[in-house]
Amino acid sequence: QQQVKQSPQSLIVQKGGIPIINCAYENTAFDYFPWYQQFPGKGPALLIAIRPDVSEKKEGRFTISFNKSAKQFSLHIMDSQPGDSATYFCAARTTNTGNQFYFGTGTSLTVIP
Amino acid sequence: SAVISQKPSRDICQRGTSLTIQCQVDSQVTMMFWYRQQPGQSLTLIATANQGSEATYESGFVIDKFPISRPNLTFSTLTVSNMSPEDSSIYLCSVTGIMNTEAFFGQGTRLTVV
Repeated sequence: QQQVKQSPQSLIVQKGGIPIINCAYENTAFDYFPWYQQFPGKGPALLIAIRPDVSEKKEGRFTISFNKSAKQFSLHIMDSQPGDSATYFCAARTTNTGNQFYFGTGTSLTVIP
Repeated sequence: SAVISQKPSRDICQRGTSLTIQCQVDSQVTMMFWYRQQPGQSLTLIATANQGSEATYESGFVIDKFPISRPNLTFSTLTVSNMSPEDSSIYLCSVTGIMNTEAFFGQGTRLTVV
């Protein structure tokens, strides 16, 4: 059973556009929600993360919106650039299971110049 | 953040053989994990590498196929045994930070079994 559901599977936007990637979860014990960025041939790298007591977090051009009641969170990339083309994974963690991270299925983002 | 060195970065192996992947971290960490990422897929947790004791395996993964060692707080190995083409995948070592929040990943080992 997929603990974290992610959509869309792929996304193509023009440079300067704002791609939005969505994730949903069911386990209310999750207490930490990171987003990872992965380039081909590389391991995932932490991009930005949020805790459930905050509704929004911004770091540079990246914003996480968090809706605790709906059990959903999303990643917005402002003024997207071709260099943002990568696969993005949302994840969730609970300390109840030894800090195990549960990953979404990934979104392949292509930013067209 | 933790710096993770994973070796080898890639390998092509014959079916029926075994490959051992090494993971070295630049600082002592509590939790170390091994993931598998099949082409175009998400990350699937294989096991948690426990220092000084047997690894904790997730459903669908067994010690005979994926033996794991963790002799100290900075080093772990994953062996993929008796390989078949279905084992072709990227294998990733991961650790959690000192506050057990962020997860950091090695660059991965791209394994191709022929």
